[in-house]
Amino acid sequence: DQQVKQNSPSLSVQEGRISILNCDYTNSMFDYFLWYKKYPAEGPTFLISISSIKDKNEDGRFTVFLNKSAKHLSLHIVPSQPGDSAVYFCAASVDGLTFGKGTHLIIQP
Amino acid sequence: KAGVTQTPRYLIKTRGQQVTLSCSPISGHRSVSWYQQTPGQGLQFLFEYFSETQRNKGNFPGRFSGRQFSNSRSEMNVSTLELGDSALYLCASSLEINQPQHFGDGTRLSIL
Repeated sequence: DQQVKQNSPSLSVQEGRISILNCDYTNSMFDYFLWYKKYPAEGPTFLISISSIKDKNEDGRFTVFLNKSAKHLSLHIVPSQPGDSAVYFCAASVDGLTFGKGTHLIIQP
Repeated sequence: KAGVTQTPRYLIKTRGQQVTLSCSPISGHRSVSWYQQTPGQGLQFLFEYFSETQRNKGNFPGRFSGRQFSNSRSEMNVSTLELGDSALYLCASSLEINQPQHFGDGTRLSIL
């Protein structure tokens, strides 16, 4: 049973526009959420996190939104750049990290 | 600052053998976690160590084990290898528990 779901396996966005990646979770015990970016042949790279007591966290071009009532998490990237093309994983923590299966973001020039 | 280092990068074993993978965390990080990544299952949590103690364990059989040393370095061991154990094994470290984890580039294990 997948406790963290990323329902879009891939997403294509034009350079300069906003990229919105979505994530849903089922376990209400999760208290900390993270987004990671992964390039081929490399380990995931931490992007941004949010505690369950907040509903928004910003870091430069990256903003994460948390809607606890809907059990939904999203990552906004503005503006999208070619180097943002990668696989993005959301993860949730209670005892160890539980990862979604990832969304492949493709930034079109 | 050096990142998380995993050795070896690639490993080929046969069924029934055992294997030990090594992870050196970022200097000062006390928490080390291990994950298995496969195309079908994605990234799955194996276990987490903090101050030489296993804090959490994922849903994997007892053939998978690990330990952490006093310098925070960690090893994981898989005994009686099966074909399905072929995967990328990733190690991640963090300063403390429930802080962002930083990943190494993994060990690619292939079972023949």
